[in-house]
Amino acid sequence: DTAVSQTPKYLVTQMGNDKSIKCEQNLGHDTMYWYKQDSKKFLKIMFSYNNKELIINETVPNRFSPKSPDKAHLNLHINSLELGDSAVYFCASSPRRVSGTPVHFGPGTRLTVT
Amino acid sequence: AQKVTQAQTEISVVEKEDVTLDCVYETRDTTYYLFWYKQPPSGELVFLIRRNSFDEQNEISGRYSWNFQKSTSSFNFTITASQVVDSAVYFCALGFLDTGNQFYFGTGTSLTVIP
Repeated sequence: DTAVSQTPKYLVTQMGNDKSIKCEQNLGHDTMYWYKQDSKKFLKIMFSYNNKELIINETVPNRFSPKSPDKAHLNLHINSLELGDSAVYFCASSPRRVSGTPVHFGPGTRLTVT
Repeated sequence: AQKVTQAQTEISVVEKEDVTLDCVYETRDTTYYLFWYKQPPSGELVFLIRRNSFDEQNEISGRYSWNFQKSTSSFNFTITASQVVDSAVYFCALGFLDTGNQFYFGTGTSLTVIP
């Protein structure tokens, strides 16, 4: 029944490691996103994909690489993790070209880099 | 430029008081959407309401009500008879159909309802 799911929910790792966060949506939506929420609760978009095509790529270090194997999945791979990458990462989805339908969020992945 | 401002960083009220969370937005587009989301201490983001730019009707849903005023570019959210379960961070957001359904979030207002 989960609309947007993310794994893992918590991720603790050391600096310099490479890690991935997986996201899946079963809503049939065309567009998926990754958002980062920092310690001050500020939400900022990182990437947006529509039908597997990258359409938004905000100013994000190239250590972050999204991968969309199909339109139901948008995974986030992070290389050479840094302390500043510690945050909560939210995956989200929405149908494109449908008037005002809200973005549905996953439960978030809390990443802690030590 | 597109921007959402939530000037109230933190608000504390005593249970059963009414509270209004302010949201002011900036855009030159004529078609846009406004949203409110709730983020309780458990961390998930919960959709509360969507309003498009052509619909200025105020809306009431139980103890929640929203006041959309294009003249002042505001979309304020009022909780009537607040309850402890209303304690959360509330985000206002501005959305568009173009540019990949880009959303612009405000910085959030942390509401604490004291029993």
